[in-house]
Amino acid sequence: AQSVTQPDIHITVSEGASLELRCNYSYGATPYLFWYVQSPGQGLQLLLKYFSGDTLVQGIKGFEAEFKRSQSSFNLRKPSVHWSDAAEYFCAVRGASYDKVIFGPGTSLSVIP
Amino acid sequence: DVKVTQSSRYLVKRTGEKVFLECVQDMDHENMFWYRQDPGLGLRLIYFSYDVKMKEKGDIPEGYSVSREKKERFSLILESASTNQTSMYLCASSSGQGKHQPQHFGDGTRLSIL
Repeated sequence: AQSVTQPDIHITVSEGASLELRCNYSYGATPYLFWYVQSPGQGLQLLLKYFSGDTLVQGIKGFEAEFKRSQSSFNLRKPSVHWSDAAEYFCAVRGASYDKVIFGPGTSLSVIP
Repeated sequence: DVKVTQSSRYLVKRTGEKVFLECVQDMDHENMFWYRQDPGLGLRLIYFSYDVKMKEKGDIPEGYSVSREKKERFSLILESASTNQTSMYLCASSSGQGKHQPQHFGDGTRLSIL
């Protein structure tokens, strides 16, 4: 069965520091991978997606993610975090059925001024 | 930009009431979804639809039904609301043109059942 794990429930970083959020997936075929961000009281916004080609993908708000098939990982990175990045981050993978998406449990990011 | 609009941001209803949550998307997307989001449980899929008048059960359909009479509108119905249905409800839509198409989300409806 498909699954997504995000090992870190909560991360705190200082403003200006670099960030890496971990995501591991379990899926037998070529995965379609997504990262979403959710600000408090809001819906989810797509940050970036991967489905083929270059394994390093660029997204909005200065985020990037790298697909590593050998590690079944799709980690999200940002070189310098801003206070406005404080939010919940969700990794997701497209499942076996045509349109079902499996979401990870989320990582909550706090940013210290 | 894709816009997914949920009719209410906050809703308070009473136990036993029939509750309707409405969702409209403006991008002619084939697929629409309803999730509920609870602390510690993440997003759980209730129902989805890949075409008008079509519906598929998700992971937690019990106590819910859906309606999709028009392509742009997908309604979630709580037949007889119960307190354990107090939650944040998120609607999403996506294009049917390929598995790489992402889901686009509304801002959510925070529903409280008293």
